[in-house]
Amino acid sequence: GAVVSQHPSWVICKSGTSVKIECRSLDFQATTMFWYRQFPKQSLMLMATSNEGSKATYEQGVEKDKFLINHASLTLSTLTVTSAHPEDSSFYICSARRRAFYNEQFFGPGTRLTVL
Amino acid sequence: KNEVEQSPQNLTAQEGEFITINCSYSVGISALHWLQQHPGGGIVSLFMLSSGKKKHGRLIATINIQEKHSSLHITASHPRDSAVYICAVRKTSYDKVIFGPGTSLSVIP
Repeated sequence: GAVVSQHPSWVICKSGTSVKIECRSLDFQATTMFWYRQFPKQSLMLMATSNEGSKATYEQGVEKDKFLINHASLTLSTLTVTSAHPEDSSFYICSARRRAFYNEQFFGPGTRLTVL
Repeated sequence: KNEVEQSPQNLTAQEGEFITINCSYSVGISALHWLQQHPGGGIVSLFMLSSGKKKHGRLIATINIQEKHSSLHITASHPRDSAVYICAVRKTSYDKVIFGPGTSLSVIP
């Protein structure tokens, strides 16, 4: 089956630093990748949708300059949290979709970010 | 009213019990996902349904499109099944997946 990996699985950083999270589709070409954020005891919330080779589409209320998304290849998307602050501490999850398989979405295991 | 609702919110079961988690939605959908989120946060995709029924091991998922309802069943439950189970739907003609609030399952030995 289709596998999506994320790296790192957890990261702790100091306030003010930037953190990059990678999302990879291991055995398929992901034409679309989605980034979600989940705060404790809450449901997943879509942050942005990225299509390979084009700019990401951000959901309302998500700062595009703070959460930089790059989908440079069909197997890799990155989310960079710039100038991280403690309120950015959250669980970040990506998912990926293959071309023409619009109903399928494969989820990564998630990355837990803690900003001190 | 949330577009995707789940019941129960919390569920405690004895090992070996048959478990049912329900999901109801109020929008037209093209697909419904059942996800399992472990205590550490990691998410596993269990099923993707657009009609009928699917089975994988001890897990069974059904969907009734007319009634806008899906169920996830776990047979012979085991403590390792303890997790949050999330129903998510993809609205017709939209890219967005809408997540239900999750059902927290605890299976006691």
